[in-house]
Amino acid sequence: AQSVSQHNHHVILSEAASLELGCNYSYGGTVNLFWYVQYPGQHLQLLLKYFSGDPLVKGIKGFEAEFIKSKFSFNLRKPSVQWSDTAEYFCAVNPHMGRRALTFGSGTRLQVQP
Amino acid sequence: EAQVTQNPRYLITVTGKKLTVTCSQNMNHEYMSWYRQDPGLGLRQIYYSMNVEVTDKGDVPEGYKVSRKEKRNFPLILESPSPNQTSLYFCASGTGRQETQYFGPGTRLLVL
Repeated sequence: AQSVSQHNHHVILSEAASLELGCNYSYGGTVNLFWYVQYPGQHLQLLLKYFSGDPLVKGIKGFEAEFIKSKFSFNLRKPSVQWSDTAEYFCAVNPHMGRRALTFGSGTRLQVQP
Repeated sequence: EAQVTQNPRYLITVTGKKLTVTCSQNMNHEYMSWYRQDPGLGLRQIYYSMNVEVTDKGDVPEGYKVSRKEKRNFPLILESPSPNQTSLYFCASGTGRQETQYFGPGTRLLVL
């Protein structure tokens, strides 16, 4: 079964700082990769996704992520965060083959201070 | 408006009293799923359904049942709830493996 690790549980940044959230997965085959965001009191929304092709994907609100296959990583980045980016961020994977389970990481809580 | 709806949004119940949380989507999605969200554990999949009458266990199915009699609905049933099922529950739907899953607003359940 696949698993997802998000090593940063709580990140505090000042506005305009750069952001990088780590995501590593374990699975032997080909996977689809996602980043979801959950703003306070709201449901999950998709930030970006990678299925194949260019390993650098761009999502909404200036976020991007890079898939590095050799490192089993899919880190999320943003050059300059805003207070409105305060939220919890979840990395998720599902395999191309087999059971269609979407496995989430434990999440990273981002707090952006004005 | 395309959406996934869940009811109720908040529920307090007692141990052993059967309950059902409904989930409905209006996007004609084949795939639907239930997750529970717990602090420090992220979201864990309970059950999913690839189409009508086709359901399968996720990572934490114990204590839950589901049914998929219609494409749009995917209710989650707790036959005999226990306090360890206190959690935030999300329903989601999507068109296929590589498609985005759309999440409902969540149901916060407290089992006393």
